[in-house]
Amino acid sequence: DVKVTQSSRYLVKRTGEKVFLECVQDMDHENMFWYRQDPGLGLRLIYFSYDVKMKEKGDIPEGYSVSREKKERFSLILESASTNQTSMYLCASRLGQLQTQHFGDGTRLSIL
Amino acid sequence: AQKITQTQPGMFVQEKEAVTLDCTYDTSDPSYGLFWYKQPSSGEMIFLIYQGSYDQQNATEGRYSLNFQKARKSANLVISASQLGDSAMYFCAMREGPFSGGYNKLIFGAGTRLAVHP
Repeated sequence: DVKVTQSSRYLVKRTGEKVFLECVQDMDHENMFWYRQDPGLGLRLIYFSYDVKMKEKGDIPEGYSVSREKKERFSLILESASTNQTSMYLCASRLGQLQTQHFGDGTRLSIL
Repeated sequence: AQKITQTQPGMFVQEKEAVTLDCTYDTSDPSYGLFWYKQPSSGEMIFLIYQGSYDQQNATEGRYSLNFQKARKSANLVISASQLGDSAMYFCAMREGPFSGGYNKLIFGAGTRLAVHP
């Protein structure tokens, strides 16, 4: 079974802090994704990576950056956290472009 | 423009009955894929079922089936014999093909919250 692991289920940070959300997959998947989920809006794509050191902006990249130094790990970075970034963050991976995405358990991030 | 529409914010169903969750989509790409995911209150997204745009038959996976009506651009999820454990948020998603831009990203609907009553 595919395993996508997000480092924290719950996280509380303060405004202005630099926040790192980590995601690791164990199936040698090429593509990895970061989404945020807000009520009534579904999942919105922040960034994705189709290979090591490669990244593409999604629909809502403002205020975020990402890092993919190794194939199995995809990090989401909030450079200076703000209260409007309080949300559920979901990481996903897939083997190739036509394959199903597999999700982690999500991180509920609160910015105070 | 919204590409995936789930018009039902919430649905109720009696245990053991069937329920249909609606999903309509919009794309001009001839090649696309449609997915349904389930999200329990614990937060993880669980893949349920997939339908390709060229698939001739409706997809089925156990108690889940996808009612694919291509001309109407709808991809409704049917859950037969509902169980209490089916109570969750359900998301419809579309993977567009190569003519809609690169990398075959997924686009999600807003979701439908299903409550199964005993």
